Amino acid sequence: KQEVTQIPAALSVPEGENLVLNCSFTDSAIYNLQWFRQDPGKGLTSLLLIQSSQREQTSGRLNASLDKSSGRSTLYIAASQPGDSATYLCARRGGGSNYKLTFGKGTLLTVNP
Amino acid sequence: EAGVTQFPSHSVIEKGQTVTLRCDPISGHDNLYWYRRVMGKEIKFLLHFVKESKQDESGMPNNRFLAERTGGTYSTLKVQPAELEDSGVYFCASSQDWPSEAFFGQGTRLTVV
Repeated sequence: KQEVTQIPAALSVPEGENLVLNCSFTDSAIYNLQWFRQDPGKGLTSLLLIQSSQREQTSGRLNASLDKSSGRSTLYIAASQPGDSATYLCARRGGGSNYKLTFGKGTLLTVNP
Repeated sequence: EAGVTQFPSHSVIEKGQTVTLRCDPISGHDNLYWYRRVMGKEIKFLLHFVKESKQDESGMPNNRFLAERTGGTYSTLKVQPAELEDSGVYFCASSQDWPSEAFFGQGTRLTVV
């Protein structure tokens, strides 16, 4: 059973396009949801953290939303640039004392110049 | 401020040997986590320390894996004896209690041959 699903698995867009990455999760008992970026051979860079009481968070050209009732989060990237090319991962943290993050498999984004 | 650091960045060992991975969390972060990504799979939780205590080790695959965090500072993850299926990237992360944003290290790429 896959608890966190990311769609699409891969996405290729021309530079300048706005795009949306999707993340869905099966358990609505969520404490927070975190979006990460991973460059090839590198670690994970935290992009945005949305607490369960929040609906969205913004950082620069990035906007992440959270809809607990439907079990969905989206990451919106405005005016994409070639430097945005990376794998984007979402991870949910469960409620209570369960601190562990459950990850999706990620979306591989390629922004073409 | 230094981020989460992991040593070594790469390790190639033969089946049956022992390997020890090290993680230095962000200073002041009581929560320390180990995760692993094996080829083609999503990143999966291994265990969670709060200071020097194991809060959750439900993700540890078997008793060949031993994690320690003496003194509540850095942590080690030992694999003994290593098997081929242990190959993958081992990530360490740390967080404060609130807002519980997890910060990841660069990972250790382990190859068992």
